[in-house]
Amino acid sequence: VQLVQSGAEVKKPGASVKVSCRASGYNFNRYAVHWVRQAPGQRLEWMGWINAAYGDPKYSKNFQDRVTITTDTSATTVYMELSSLRSEDTAVYYCARNYDILTGDFDHWGQGTLVTVSS
Amino acid sequence: QSVLTQPPSASGTPGQRVTISCSGSSSNIGSKTVNWYQQLPGTAPKLLIYNDNQRPSGVPDRFSGSKSGTSASLAISGLQSEDEADYYCGAWDDSLKGVVFGGGTMLTVL
Repeated sequence: VQLVQSGAEVKKPGASVKVSCRASGYNFNRYAVHWVRQAPGQRLEWMGWINAAYGDPKYSKNFQDRVTITTDTSATTVYMELSSLRSEDTAVYYCARNYDILTGDFDHWGQGTLVTVSS
Repeated sequence: QSVLTQPPSASGTPGQRVTISCSGSSSNIGSKTVNWYQQLPGTAPKLLIYNDNQRPSGVPDRFSGSKSGTSASLAISGLQSEDEADYYCGAWDDSLKGVVFGGGTMLTVL
């Protein structure tokens, strides 16, 4: 099982960023993919999730106006786009796999993508 | 402010047993399973305990989890220097309709 994320990004305030998470080594359609971020020296913060097979994303209230999670089953890739970036969005963004949404356990994680927001 | 509450730090000497607590509410720990993650510096979190007390393949049996009511605990016995890391608890929250995490506990092996 592997979740491979796209590379680091540097963005200006107000811009958008789109991070990809390419999955391999398992049946992509049978799992959900979540996004979790971690600001420097801070705790893990859950952003939302998507059913990899048919979509229907769900978002944390903290991000629901700015985040869009999509899935491309042909590419076994999930994307997370965050808009209206501000300095507080500087963080490492992780994707993670989950089988049962109500257990909320993430058994495999991507390597993380550092997004830096700076003018 | 985290929905789940953990002590910010814990410590122990090699060979000791250390426990880390995680306190929540009826909408998360009280009704849903608890998971624990270990995060070494500069790396992604790793699932350590799932479903309150189950260990994924490859996790040493020195690590154990327990839960009672709206609180959970992670115990590490036979502490080793490589256990020095940040530990996070997490669970689904029925009220928030999302996953919540604790603030993390930094474990120092003295």
